[in-house]
Amino acid sequence: EAQVTQNPRYLITVTGKKLTVTCSQNMNHEYMSWYRQDPGLGLRQIYYSMNVEVTDKGDVPEGYKVSRKEKRNFPLILESPSPNQTSLYFCASSGGEGRNEQFFGPGTRLTVL
Amino acid sequence: AQSVTQLGSHVSVSEGALVLLRCNYSSSVPPYLFWYVQYPNQGLQLLLKYTSAATLVKGINGFEAEFKKSETSFHLTKPSAHMSDAAEYFCASSSGGSYIPTFGRGTSLIVHP
Repeated sequence: EAQVTQNPRYLITVTGKKLTVTCSQNMNHEYMSWYRQDPGLGLRQIYYSMNVEVTDKGDVPEGYKVSRKEKRNFPLILESPSPNQTSLYFCASSGGEGRNEQFFGPGTRLTVL
Repeated sequence: AQSVTQLGSHVSVSEGALVLLRCNYSSSVPPYLFWYVQYPNQGLQLLLKYTSAATLVKGINGFEAEFKKSETSFHLTKPSAHMSDAAEYFCASSSGGSYIPTFGRGTSLIVHP
């Protein structure tokens, strides 16, 4: 089954404790991205990657890191989480042309205390 | 630069009534346009997309959207709302070879019995 998986689905942590949210897709997609979703603000892109070893900042990259060492994986790293990073996070992938739709993971709900 | 505007952060309808969710885009080149739906506690999934073929696009669950270039619009409609249609709906656009979609802020559809 074609899918994007994220782990964990729920995470409660404390300020400053490094964490990683994993994302994996099995569709051989070139393009992957991370979004955060907050009430009233819709989806905001954090980082995206157009291929292995190619990443770029989205609209709200501060406080986040990513890496793309393999085509299928695109982890999101919060090296020192803060309460304003409490949010719902989505990973997405796409075949890489403008006409192709995004496939979204199920989401990770992060709470930073 | 592209932008997508969804008019109304919340739309409330009665069960059986017409659903109309509005989306306007701005793009300097012919766009690809998408509607996604997000059910509670789930990721986004594609409802339908326009890729420059027929201007009236039919999607899943009885939804359809019409691309109107003169109005730069891509409104989503459904003749008769069901309770199960209650969800968040996102309009998005991309263009040409751009991997990077632009999302609207979303519209929450509320369906009353």
